[in-house]
Amino acid sequence: DQQVKQNSPSLSVQEGRISILNCDYTNSMFDYFLWYKKYPAEGPTFLISISSIKDKNEDGRFTVFLNKSAKHLSLHIVPSQPGDSAVYFCAASATRGGSNYKLTFGKGTLLTVNP
Amino acid sequence: KAGVTQTPRYLIKTRGQQVTLSCSPISGHRSVSWYQQTPGQGLQFLFEYFSETQRNKGNFPGRFSGRQFSNSRSEMNVSTLELGDSALYLCASSFEGRTYNEQFFGPGTRLTVL
Repeated sequence: DQQVKQNSPSLSVQEGRISILNCDYTNSMFDYFLWYKKYPAEGPTFLISISSIKDKNEDGRFTVFLNKSAKHLSLHIVPSQPGDSAVYFCAASATRGGSNYKLTFGKGTLLTVNP
Repeated sequence: KAGVTQTPRYLIKTRGQQVTLSCSPISGHRSVSWYQQTPGQGLQFLFEYFSETQRNKGNFPGRFSGRQFSNSRSEMNVSTLELGDSALYLCASSFEGRTYNEQFFGPGTRLTVL
């Protein structure tokens, strides 16, 4: 049973436009969400996170939105750059109950930003 | 600060063998987690160690084990290798002390089982 789902395996956008990556979760115990970016032959790199007490967090070109009622979060990248081309993973954690060091990941979305 | 390092980067083994992978966390980080990444299953949590104790465990068979040393370095071991164990094994470290600790990943060890 996949608790974190990224339903789009790939996404292609033009440089300068907005990239929107989506993620859904099923476990209502999740209260902390993260986005990681991964280049080939490298480990995932942390991008941005959001706690369930917020509905938006912004860091430069990256904004994460959380809709708790829909159990949905999205990552917006504006403007998109060719260097953003990578696999993006959504991850979730249940910080209460001692499991805050276990991240549950989605299967990733390959973002391609075309020049 | 040096990042998370993992050795070896690549490994080829045959079925039935065992393998040990090593992870050195970022200096000062005391929590080390291990993940398996495969094309079909994505990134899956194996286990997490803190102060030489396994604190969290994922849903993997007992052939997968790990340990952590007093300097926070960690090793994971897979015994009786199966073809399905071919994967990228990622180690992540985090600093203890905040409510939630961001995990920093190493480059991974690519294990191929023939």
